[in-house]
Amino acid sequence: DAGVTQSPTHLIKTRGQQVTLRCSPKSGHDTVSWYQQALGQGPQFIFQYYEEEERQRGNFPDRFSGHQFPNYSSELNVNALLLGDSALYLCASSLWGAISNQPQHFGDGTRLSIL
Amino acid sequence: KQEVTQIPAALSVPEGENLVLNCSFTDSAIYNLQWFRQDPGKGLTSLLLIQSSQREQTSGRLNASLDKSSGRSTLYIAASQPGDSATYLCAVLLGGFKTIFGAGTRLFVKA
Repeated sequence: DAGVTQSPTHLIKTRGQQVTLRCSPKSGHDTVSWYQQALGQGPQFIFQYYEEEERQRGNFPDRFSGHQFPNYSSELNVNALLLGDSALYLCASSLWGAISNQPQHFGDGTRLSIL
Repeated sequence: KQEVTQIPAALSVPEGENLVLNCSFTDSAIYNLQWFRQDPGKGLTSLLLIQSSQREQTSGRLNASLDKSSGRSTLYIAASQPGDSATYLCAVLLGGFKTIFGAGTRLFVKA
């Protein structure tokens, strides 16, 4: 039973560029959430997707956008990259109907470095 | 605005010691509280989930309690081992299914 998989594992970009990160949820899960984790900090909620729609959004600018596909996989896009976007980006999956009583499952993340 | 605070920020203990990690939150309107473990450069592993109607959960040497009225949770680790060294994060699930994390407690267990 495959868990949450994220790609790529590492990425180096320069300021102003655009990046796309990918996530495949755990088998049987239909909801994907994205988080940004700066070094030494807890993860910060970016947004959540269910039924191919953004359901919740954290305090992130419009440069951060996403998409969910019919197979429940998801992409996170970040435009006009800033040095401050350097972080570990985590994807978590869950089952919408059981979201309050079953744990989220996390991938190992994508380490994004901005030069 | 919901805020989650974890104390202490870092902790170093000798092997075999029992220890308690603390988590506090400002708004009691939560669906659940989760404790996670994170190894360096890795993702999060769920340890325990306590629903808002529950008081505690146990798994092996781990026990987590929840007091919604006071906005507090504790994670108790019995007989700590070097393999327990990691960062421990607590997170609350809010209405609308947004998750808010604390900054974590970095634990080092000395052999």
